Amino acid sequence: AQSVTQLGSHVSVSEGALVLLRCNYSSSVPPYLFWYVQYPNQGLQLLLKYTTGATLVKGINGFEAEFKKSETSFHLTKPSAHMSDAAEYFCAVTLNTGTASKLTFGTGTRLQVTL
Amino acid sequence: AAGVIQSPRHLIKEKRETATLKCYPIPRHDTVYWYQQGPGQDPQFLISFYEKMQSDKGSIPDRFSAQQFSDYHSELNMSSLELGDSALYFCASSQRQGPYNSPLHFGNGTRLTVT
Repeated sequence: AQSVTQLGSHVSVSEGALVLLRCNYSSSVPPYLFWYVQYPNQGLQLLLKYTTGATLVKGINGFEAEFKKSETSFHLTKPSAHMSDAAEYFCAVTLNTGTASKLTFGTGTRLQVTL
Repeated sequence: AAGVIQSPRHLIKEKRETATLKCYPIPRHDTVYWYQQGPGQDPQFLISFYEKMQSDKGSIPDRFSAQQFSDYHSELNMSSLELGDSALYFCASSQRQGPYNSPLHFGNGTRLTVT
């Protein structure tokens, strides 16, 4: 079984400040990890993914995340927040089992960006 | 680029009625997933299909059924609707790449309101 835990249901940062959204995973086999963003009344958009290889992955809109096996973490960061980054962010995990595997989502973190 | 198409975008039904939600995956995607997202909740996996066969089953009520057709589109049928079925229903699609799946691409969802 796999799961992800997102610490902090709400995060507020000032425009231009560092964004850090935390995600820890639990998995019995090597996981694939993802971050999705959801704007109001819209679907989930893939920000970035970790499958194998480089542990620091870069995504769209200036976001990046680092897979740390020793800490079972996959935190999402962005050096400088923009007002347009305000949205709900979901961390998700799927199992690297070689079969079509569903995504399991965390409970989400709502990012607020203030002036 | 083509995205996942869901119809309708909004649906209002009364208790005990039935509803059918449709999903058209990205061309050449062979796997379809259905998720339910309640207000302020993370998406919960319902069911998935690979090459027209059910591949995984989550927390889908017995009142719901789904199938994937020869053209890979999928339909989620919901009967004896209850107030608690009011939610955003997402469809996602992916493509098998060797033994693994491409990341899930989500549609914009169908908002179902049961009155």
